[in-house]
Amino acid sequence: AQSVAQPEDQVNVAEGNPLTVKCTYSVSGNPYLFWYVQYPNRGLQFLLKYITGDNLVKGSYGFEAEFNKSQTSFHLKKPSALVSDSALYFCAVRDMNQAGTALIFGKGTTLSVSS
Amino acid sequence: DGGITQSPKYLFRKEGQNVTLSCEQNLNHDAMYWYRQDPGQGLRLIYYSQIVNDFQKGDIAEGYSVSREKKESFPLTVTSAQKNPTAFYLCASSITNLSNQPQHFGDGTRLSIL
Repeated sequence: AQSVAQPEDQVNVAEGNPLTVKCTYSVSGNPYLFWYVQYPNRGLQFLLKYITGDNLVKGSYGFEAEFNKSQTSFHLKKPSALVSDSALYFCAVRDMNQAGTALIFGKGTTLSVSS
Repeated sequence: DGGITQSPKYLFRKEGQNVTLSCEQNLNHDAMYWYRQDPGQGLRLIYYSQIVNDFQKGDIAEGYSVSREKKESFPLTVTSAQKNPTAFYLCASSITNLSNQPQHFGDGTRLSIL
């Protein structure tokens, strides 16, 4: 069965500092991995995805994520956090070999960036 | 602008009442999805549809029903059988249901019980 874990309910960082939001996954085959961001009372916005190739994926708003197959992780990173990055972040996975299934989402991590 | 429109933004349901949440997309996407979001629980899949006139149950389909008569529309009905319907409901779509396609989301409908 596919699953996603976001081990931290909340991450607090100071503006200008680097941030990391953690995600680990479990699939039977190879994964397709996604990060989304949600602002209050809004839908989810797509940030980036890992399909294949380079393990470091760059996305919107200066975010990037590193795929690590041995650790089954896909952590979201940003070199310098902004107050406006404060939001709820979701990691999602789908098994490459299971077309016809929906994405599996983690429970979300609230990022709080202080000024 | 292309996108997904959910309406209404807020909805109140009386006991024993069925209510229908609207989801319309003009992205020409084949696949559409309904999720329920509760605090601290992430997104849980209710129903999804890969093509017109076809849909499948997700993880928490009990008490809900859907239809997909048109490509651009995927309405969700919350029936009286759903005893705890208070939640934030999100509709999404993707080009196809292929594994590597991201989903695009509407801005949600917040349903509450009167």
